[in-house]
Amino acid sequence: GEDVEQSLFLSVREGDSSVINCTYTDSSSTYLYWYKQEPGAGLQLLTYIFSNMDMKQDQRLTVLLNKKDKHLSLRIADTQTGDSAIYFCAERGQTGANNLFFGTGTRLTVIP
Amino acid sequence: GAVVSQHPSRVICKSGTSVKIECRSLDFQATTMFWYRQFPKQSLMLMATSNEGSKATYEQGVEKDKFLINHASLTLSTLTVTSAHPEDSSFYICSTPRGQGSYEQYFGPGTRLTVT
Repeated sequence: GEDVEQSLFLSVREGDSSVINCTYTDSSSTYLYWYKQEPGAGLQLLTYIFSNMDMKQDQRLTVLLNKKDKHLSLRIADTQTGDSAIYFCAERGQTGANNLFFGTGTRLTVIP
Repeated sequence: GAVVSQHPSRVICKSGTSVKIECRSLDFQATTMFWYRQFPKQSLMLMATSNEGSKATYEQGVEKDKFLINHASLTLSTLTVTSAHPEDSSFYICSTPRGQGSYEQYFGPGTRLTVT
């Protein structure tokens, strides 16, 4: 079955860039997503990338996809304390399937 | 604004009782809704897929008689945890694609269930 992995923790200083990494195993993934979860809250869709793209930039967020290595990353530029949260990558599998498979989540701590 | 709502946001119940959680899509019709469960400090795990007008599809290991899903209308799916036990305490989140085949999936704010 699908397997999505992330490192559990990341700490950065305010103003620095954060890079959160994710690896997945399903080569038929069509879309890959990044979600943000703040304490006690649901998931907020940050951005997504289609599997035929290498990069997508959206304001402070840059997503890089290496399909050959099945590696996805999320870079947050000028990280702020409000960015402290858990970040989940998720992948949507075969065409037509809508459910998502999530990574374990990376807890980002931004140090003032 | 929010496109998917859940109710209640937080519930505490006694062991052996049943709890119903509602998931509503706002301003659009949701023929499919997904129910996830998240244990503390863990990722989300898909429990079941709720289809309007038909039976839900459950993931392996999820008891369909314990977690009753009803999707009676295009904007409402309910998850009922029957005869709840402390190990059912978790964060339950629903989600739905915005439209048929849509790549965007919207999540509810979640319901925290505590069974005492």
